[in-house]
Amino acid sequence: DQQVKQNSPSLSVQEGRISILNCDYTNSMFDYFLWYKKYPAEGPTFLISISSIKDKNEDGRFTVFLNKSAKHLSLHIVPSQPGDSAVYFCAATDNTNAGKSTFGDGTTLTVKP
Amino acid sequence: NAGVTQTPKFQVLKTGQSMTLQCAQDMNHEYMSWYRQDPGMGLRLIHYSVGAGITDQGEVPNGYNVSRSTTEDFPLRLLSAAPSQTSVYFCASSYEVGNTEAFFGQGTRLTVV
Repeated sequence: DQQVKQNSPSLSVQEGRISILNCDYTNSMFDYFLWYKKYPAEGPTFLISISSIKDKNEDGRFTVFLNKSAKHLSLHIVPSQPGDSAVYFCAATDNTNAGKSTFGDGTTLTVKP
Repeated sequence: NAGVTQTPKFQVLKTGQSMTLQCAQDMNHEYMSWYRQDPGMGLRLIHYSVGAGITDQGEVPNGYNVSRSTTEDFPLRLLSAAPSQTSVYFCASSYEVGNTEAFFGQGTRLTVV
């Protein structure tokens, strides 16, 4: 039973347009959500996070939205740049379970010049 | 600061051999963890530690051992390598348990033949 799902394995957008990456979760005990970015042959790097008590968090070109009732979060990148091309992982943390994080399978974003 | 350092970067093992994947961090982080990533999948938690002397199992612990004798080091031992353990392994650390981002090493690509 996969508790964090990223249903789109890949996404392709034009430079300058908006990229929207989606993530769904099933465990209502998750209370902190993170997005990581991963380039080939490198480890994931933290991008942005959101607490379950908020519905939006913004950091420059990156905004994460959380809809708790739908158990859905999304990452918006505006404007998209070719350097944003990477695999994006959604992760959810359960602070009642030793703060362990559960990851989705990732979405490969390609931004075309 | 080096961050999280993993060695080796690549390793080929024969079935039945044992080895230790090294992980060290210089950020004085209490929380450390090991993940494996298989093709097309997200990161799955193998073992984690909330501090020196304390370790616990994650989602996929079978075939692996860990210990945490110091804050800095968190080695992962493969007891008797199997082809199913062919994967990319990532070590991560974070300042505290829960609502905080993880810092990842560059990964160890392990092939068991």
